[in-house]
Parts: sequence; C-alpha cells; structure tokens
Amino acid sequence: AQSVAQPEDQVNVAEGNPLTVKCTYSVSGNPYLFWYVQYPNRGLQFLLKYITGDNLVKGSYGFEAEFNKSQTSFHLKKPSALVSDSALYFCAVRDMGTMLTFGGGTRLMVKP
Amino acid sequence: KAGVTQTPRYLIKTRGQQVTLSCSPISGHRSVSWYQQTPGQGLQFLFEYFSETQRNKGNFPGRFSGRQFSNSRSEMNVSTLELGDSALYLCASSLGTQGFNEKLFFGSGTQLSVL
Repeated sequence: AQSVAQPEDQVNVAEGNPLTVKCTYSVSGNPYLFWYVQYPNRGLQFLLKYITGDNLVKGSYGFEAEFNKSQTSFHLKKPSALVSDSALYFCAVRDMGTMLTFGGGTRLMVKP
Repeated sequence: KAGVTQTPRYLIKTRGQQVTLSCSPISGHRSVSWYQQTPGQGLQFLFEYFSETQRNKGNFPGRFSGRQFSNSRSEMNVSTLELGDSALYLCASSLGTQGFNEKLFFGSGTQLSVL
C-alpha cells in the first residue's frame, strides 16, 4: 500500500528566510508526487508535481521541490518566504493504477 | 472560467438523517473526485467518477455513495449520519481521470456538522 508522511505538523520561518516542508513516501512502483496548498476556508490548490525527469521541479508562487529516490523524499522549498505563504501544505503520492494519497498536512507560519 | 462549485457551503444535520452534497466541476472537466477532510485523519479519498461511471472507491462504508450526471455534475450522499461524519467534504475536478496525473482543481468544500 502507498503512504506519505509529513513529519512536521507546523513549520515556523521568518519572512525572507528559506523554507523547507518535508515529505517522505512509500510506494511499490514508480511514484507520482504532488504538492498542494490550502488557504483558510478554501479548497486545495495545485503547486507542482513530479512524474519523471529532472529531480528538481519548479512550481507556482516560487516554490520548488526536490525528488530524492534513495531517501524516498519530496521536500518542498522556497528560497525566500513571504507572509502570504502561510497556509496548510499537503504532499500527495500515487502509484500506477491507484488514487492520490495525501499526507496529514504541514502548517507553515511565516512571521514578519 | 468558473471554478469548482460546491453547494451548500455549510450544513448542520442530526444523527440518523441523510444528506446530499453537490459539486459542479470546471466546464469541460469530466472527472470528479470526492475527499473527506478531518483534523485527525487528514484527507481521505471517497470516490472518483468519470463520464458518469464510478472509477475508484475509497475505504468508506456503503452509507457513502455518489453519482455523476451527463453534464459531469456530481452528487454525494451520506445516509444514516453519524457524529464521526462531521468533516469538510471536498470535491475536485480534472480533465481526465487521476490516472493521467493531471492536477486536481478543488472546490471550497461543504462543511458538514452532525449533531
């Protein structure tokens, strides 16, 4: 069975500093990996995905994620955090023939 | 282009009642997926419909059911409500099924409270 773990319930970072939101996964085959963001009282919004190819994936709003097969990780990163980046972030994975499985979410708090 | 629309936005029901939630996907999208979001369990997959056919189903009891109409609009029904059904129910649409790894477009959800 596939699974995804986000080990941190909350990440705190100062505005202007780099941020990292961690994600590790487990699948039986090749993983298809996604990041979504949820703002208060809103549905989820797509940020980026990894299917194949370059391990560094660039997405919306200046976010990027690095796929590491040996560590089974897909951490979300941004070089310089904004207060407006404060939200709930979800990592998701699917294996061939299966549905998206989401992690428990990580709340990102960016302080001015 | 209008986004994914879910109605109603809020619902309050009592145990034992049933409820129907509605989702209108983005125009042209043929796939609709439903998720249950709770603070303790996170996002749990309920089911996916594509061209009026249920393509996949999550691990939920038979009290949870859904359907999709010819215009791709979808409804989700929960019968004999339990307190544990209180959650935010999210609908997501995409052009193709999830198997094509397309991004999902989510609605704002229906917040269901069961008293």
